[in-house]
Amino acid sequence: GQNIDQPTEMTATEGAIVQINCTYQTSGFNGLFWYQQHAGEAPTFLSYNVLDGLEEKGRFSSFLSRSKGYSYLLLKELQMKDSASYLCAVVDSNYQLIWGAGTKLIIKP
Amino acid sequence: GAVVSQHPSWVICKSGTSVKIECRSLDFQATTMFWYRQFPKQSLMLMATSNEGSKATYEQGVEKDKFLINHASLTLSTLTVTSAHPEDSSFYICSARDLLRGETDTQYFGPGTRLTVL
Repeated sequence: GQNIDQPTEMTATEGAIVQINCTYQTSGFNGLFWYQQHAGEAPTFLSYNVLDGLEEKGRFSSFLSRSKGYSYLLLKELQMKDSASYLCAVVDSNYQLIWGAGTKLIIKP
Repeated sequence: GAVVSQHPSWVICKSGTSVKIECRSLDFQATTMFWYRQFPKQSLMLMATSNEGSKATYEQGVEKDKFLINHASLTLSTLTVTSAHPEDSSFYICSARDLLRGETDTQYFGPGTRLTVL
């Protein structure tokens, strides 16, 4: 079966760095998305990785290792507004999205 | 648990025809379902929110007569794209929420349906 694993909840301090991991077992791989979703809002696009390596975009970076079935989202200089759920989603061989359950990130002052 | 399925996965249709997409919650009762469009490498655009047994609430700019949503049961919502045109080609994603679980902020997403209108 297809499976995406990410932690249910994480807590971090304002100004710090946090890494949210995502591991996957899917039938094929055509890329991995990270989305941010604030309560009551639609998910917003953060990153899309299809090749191995680290992609940096401001305070957010995303890493992918296809051989390990592993990705992480790195958030630096955390701000209170970063409190949200972070969703990992893999595009499988049929170009369908396999979603993780999301990681709820709580930022404390 | 908390699996959401969509059918069909892919659909190709001619311009002017109507297409129905189903969204099912397989192991829980979805009191609320959401329909989104995904544009390549962009955020999901919320189209409408539907609560079981009541009319859907559409986001501004979404034509309710073109995108018909029916949430007739606690496990099934349908989106019908009427008189589809090439500009309606997109990836449509549904999500479901089960308030009975007490998870007011958690949405469970479906795998998406890719619509191509020729």
